[in-house]
Amino acid sequence: SAVISQKPSRDICQRGTSLTIQCQVDSQVTMMFWYRQQPGQSLTLIATANQGSEATYESGFVIDKFPISRPNLTFSTLTVSNMSPEDSSIYLCSVGISGPYNEQFFGPGTRLTVL
Amino acid sequence: EDKVVQSPLSLVVHEGDTVTLNCSYEVTNFRSLLWYKQEKKAPTFLFMLTSSGIEKKSGRLSSILDKKELFSILNITATQTGDSAVYLCAVNMVAGTYKYIFGTGTRLKVLA
Repeated sequence: SAVISQKPSRDICQRGTSLTIQCQVDSQVTMMFWYRQQPGQSLTLIATANQGSEATYESGFVIDKFPISRPNLTFSTLTVSNMSPEDSSIYLCSVGISGPYNEQFFGPGTRLTVL
Repeated sequence: EDKVVQSPLSLVVHEGDTVTLNCSYEVTNFRSLLWYKQEKKAPTFLFMLTSSGIEKKSGRLSSILDKKELFSILNITATQTGDSAVYLCAVNMVAGTYKYIFGTGTRLKVLA
């Protein structure tokens, strides 16, 4: 497994502002992902953070709203832009550990509340 | 459409009870099924299942997969208040990728 840290752990933001969430892993990993978990809902994949190239976004998520950086194999950021109350969620980064069956581990999450 | 369905949605039991959580799936190219426990924010990994009929066990928790009937169960025996959490099931569909579809989870509350 890997030790994953995220910051901030929580934040309360005003409508129209942006927040950048950081994810740090204690070892080099190929695959990093960003998920969103809206209140009472399950996890939804936002995008795959690719090192050295643009992130791969899932249907319903766009780069202008959720820009992602992945400057190296241990770090990634997700920005939630021009926030609205509908963006209030837990945001989780995860990493994929190489192996035959693709294990996936999660960071501690960021709880975002948009007023 | 690929989907993962968990049942029950919520469950309240007393300490010492045994619970069985269900996860059924309809996906193309099944690869593996994972169980996670989510207490506050981050899901913590419990089990990965890839083969039918082979029970995975960790303490009071155990899980098994039925690839013919397309479901998995997670059993918790002698439940404790610390078992209170949301239990998530996720299915990896496409070989070589890490993307999972998550179920909506089962919220378990264990009363003292």
